[in-house]
Amino acid sequence: DQQVKQNSPSLSVQEGRISILNCDYTNSMFDYFLWYKKYPAEGPTFLISISSIKDKNEDGRFTVFLNKSAKHLSLHIVPSQPGDSAVYFCAASAYSNSGYALNFGKGTSLLVTP
Amino acid sequence: SQTIHQWPATLVQPVGSPLSLECTVEGTSNPNLYWYRQAAGRGLQLLFYSVGIGQISSEVPQNLSASRPQDRQFILSSKKLLLSDSGFYLCACTTSGRRYYEQYFGPGTRLTVT
Repeated sequence: DQQVKQNSPSLSVQEGRISILNCDYTNSMFDYFLWYKKYPAEGPTFLISISSIKDKNEDGRFTVFLNKSAKHLSLHIVPSQPGDSAVYFCAASAYSNSGYALNFGKGTSLLVTP
Repeated sequence: SQTIHQWPATLVQPVGSPLSLECTVEGTSNPNLYWYRQAAGRGLQLLFYSVGIGQISSEVPQNLSASRPQDRQFILSSKKLLLSDSGFYLCACTTSGRRYYEQYFGPGTRLTVT
């Protein structure tokens, strides 16, 4: 059962424009949400996180927005750069017997064109 | 900050052969450790997690097993590989203190079962 969903498998954006990656979840018990960036043949790199008690968190060019009522979060990248081209994974965690094991979406492949 | 090492980086093994993948962590003590697998065209699936030496929990029934002989060492094994075991295997850890819900990933091992 996929509890975290990224419905757009790919996204193409022009350099300098805004990239918006979306994520939906079903489990209201999730208390932290994270975004990871992954290049081929490498491990995911942590980008930014947000607690369920907040609705926005910003770090440089990256901003994550959380809408708890809609069970939706999004990652905004402004301005987009060619080096941002990668697969972005949304993840959510809730405390369980496995500690804070993450539930991942299937990823969105972002291509930033010059 | 923590560093996660995984080896080998790539592996090609015949069906029915054994498997041993190793993960070691530096820069943190008493981490929670996780094994994930990314199959082709799919997201990250949690396989095993460990909250301490000798403590292993499995999320998905399969022909794989995990062991944690030391605090910062996590091993993924199989006695007989199946074709469906092919994928990209990632080790992750959470660090003590700070934002305990954030997981950090190693570089991964690409396993191809032929």
